[in-house]
Amino acid sequence: DVKVTQSSRYLVKRTGEKVFLECVQDMDHENMFWYRQDPGLGLRLIYFSYDVKMKEKGDIPEGYSVSREKKERFSLILESASTNQTSMYLCASYPRNTEAFFGQGTRLTVV
Amino acid sequence: AQTVTQSQPEMSVQEAETVTLSCTYDTSESDYYLFWYKQPPSRQMILVIRQEAYKQQNATENRFSVNFQKAAKSFSLKISDSQLGDAAMYFCAYRSRMGNQFYFGTGTSLTVIP
Repeated sequence: DVKVTQSSRYLVKRTGEKVFLECVQDMDHENMFWYRQDPGLGLRLIYFSYDVKMKEKGDIPEGYSVSREKKERFSLILESASTNQTSMYLCASYPRNTEAFFGQGTRLTVV
Repeated sequence: AQTVTQSQPEMSVQEAETVTLSCTYDTSESDYYLFWYKQPPSRQMILVIRQEAYKQQNATENRFSVNFQKAAKSFSLKISDSQLGDAAMYFCAYRSRMGNQFYFGTGTSLTVIP
């Protein structure tokens, strides 16, 4: 079975903290994504990566950065967390020409 | 950029009845994929059904089927014999065959009434 694992289900951080969200996939997929999910807005793409050390900005990259040092791991970094980054974060991966596989999501609260 | 529109934020259906969720999309491409994903409350997003644009036949997975109208750019999901476990947020998604990005609609929250 395909598996995409996010390091935390729930996270509470303080304003100004540097936050790391980790995502690991065990399927050797080239492509990995980070989405933010908010009610009424659907899923919005933050960043994606199509290979190790390669990344591209999505629709809402401001305030975020990413790292992909190994094929199986894609990290989302909030450089200085703010309350408007309180949200559900979803990681996904996919090989070419198939559907995306999602992690279980991380619900981040910034206080 | 491609856009995906789900015009029904909320829907409800009686258990054992049939419900149809709507999705339209905008693209200038001819070769692409369409998906319906299900996200149960506090649970992982999973694929319900997938349609390849070059296939004229509508995809079917057990109680789930789609009505794919390529000219109209419409991709609706029909759930037959609805069950309590079908209650979830449903997202419609598009991806170009040659592209890397998925484009999602805003979701439809489905309630199943016992």
